[in-house]
This record gives sequence, C-alpha cells and structure tokens, in this order.
Amino acid sequence: DTAVSQTPKYLVTQMGNDKSIKCEQNLGHDTMYWYKQDSKKFLKIMFSYNNKELIINETVPNRFSPKSPDKAHLNLHINSLELGDSAVYFCASSRGLGKETQYFGPGTRLLVL
Amino acid sequence: DQQVKQNSPSLSVQEGRISILNCDYTNSMFDYFLWYKKYPAEGPTFLISISSIKDKNEDGRFTVFLNKSAKHLSLHIVPSQPGDSAVYFCAASAQAGGGADGLTFGKGTHLIIQP
Repeated sequence: DTAVSQTPKYLVTQMGNDKSIKCEQNLGHDTMYWYKQDSKKFLKIMFSYNNKELIINETVPNRFSPKSPDKAHLNLHINSLELGDSAVYFCASSRGLGKETQYFGPGTRLLVL
Repeated sequence: DQQVKQNSPSLSVQEGRISILNCDYTNSMFDYFLWYKKYPAEGPTFLISISSIKDKNEDGRFTVFLNKSAKHLSLHIVPSQPGDSAVYFCAASAQAGGGADGLTFGKGTHLIIQP
C-alpha cells in the first residue's frame, strides 16, 4: 500500500549509458515531481507535472526527460549519463499546486562509473 | 544562493527534553512552509506545515512557529524521543505562480536524541 514508489532503488551504470527511473503514486494526486539530492545533500526540484503537462523545467540538462504515461506515473529518462549525474533522485506527488503537501518516494540511488 | 537555510548541521538533545530546530529564509514570496523528517535510505516524510497567515501550528508533540518579520521558523519537539533521531528538512513554497516552482529545501539538520 505504498503511496509513492520508485524503481529501481539502486542503479549502478557506466558513463554514456541511457537509463530510466520509474515512479508511481496511488494517492490520486494531480501533480508529480522529480527532485535531485546531490553530494552536498541539497534537495532540488528538477521537474513537475500537473495533469500530464510539464509545469516547470528547472535548468537541468536536456539529457534528462520526464515522461508521464498517465496521471499516476512520472518516469525520468536520462541519456548519455555522466559522472556528475550520480545522486539520489526522489519522486514526489501532491494533490495540486500551491499550498499542497508533497509526499515523497523512497529515492533511487544512481551511481555512474 | 540558498533561499532556505538551516545553519545547524546537527543537534544533540537528551531524551525527554525539548528539541528546537531552526530555519531561515530569504525569499519574501514564500508563503507556505513545511518540515520533513528523513531516515537514512528513505524518502522525506511530511511532519507539519504552516501557512504564512498563521504564526503557530501544533500537532501532537510537534509545533512549528513562524516569524514572518524575521523570516524565521522553528520546529519544537517535546518531549523528544529516540525515534525522533533523523535529519529534519525545512522547506518552503510560493503561492504566486501557482506554487509551480516546487519546494525549496534547506540543507537539513541531523537531530540526535541521546538516552
């Protein structure tokens, strides 16, 4: 009965590869997000989707592309992985925008070698 | 440019005493503030929030205080329990623009509750 789930939990890959991280929420929320927690432990917003429409796209490289097949899923596809992409990626969801609490998944630990 | 700052990387408190975690922000457009708790290898878990129209919100052992003029908020946990040992993140969002900018997080404070 996990509210926000992510797969895989750990991902180790070589530089230059393409990988995807999946996220699903069963809360019936309209908005989903991707955050990146870097080595300095800062959690920073990357993308948000509201009703399958991209709302924001922070200054992340275009190698990162969010894909939402439906309201309950927001996957993150990363092309040509680089060493600096190593981080923990968290998915989150909320009922809507504005003053809405966001609920986070357990995180995906990505290590690029 | 850190818009949300948690200046104490760690805090050690004796079990049963009060834990006070502090957070400062610089963006005057922020109007909704949240505290999250995070255990190792898990995602952040929502604890408590406060809107800028209030100066206090209480939920059981947790109370958040907001001082808008000082751009400061704090989380009080009383009494502190061993299970409270975790990293606590302060986060903020701005209603303007529909809140589409997501949450802006502080760097976190590692709270250690000593028996």
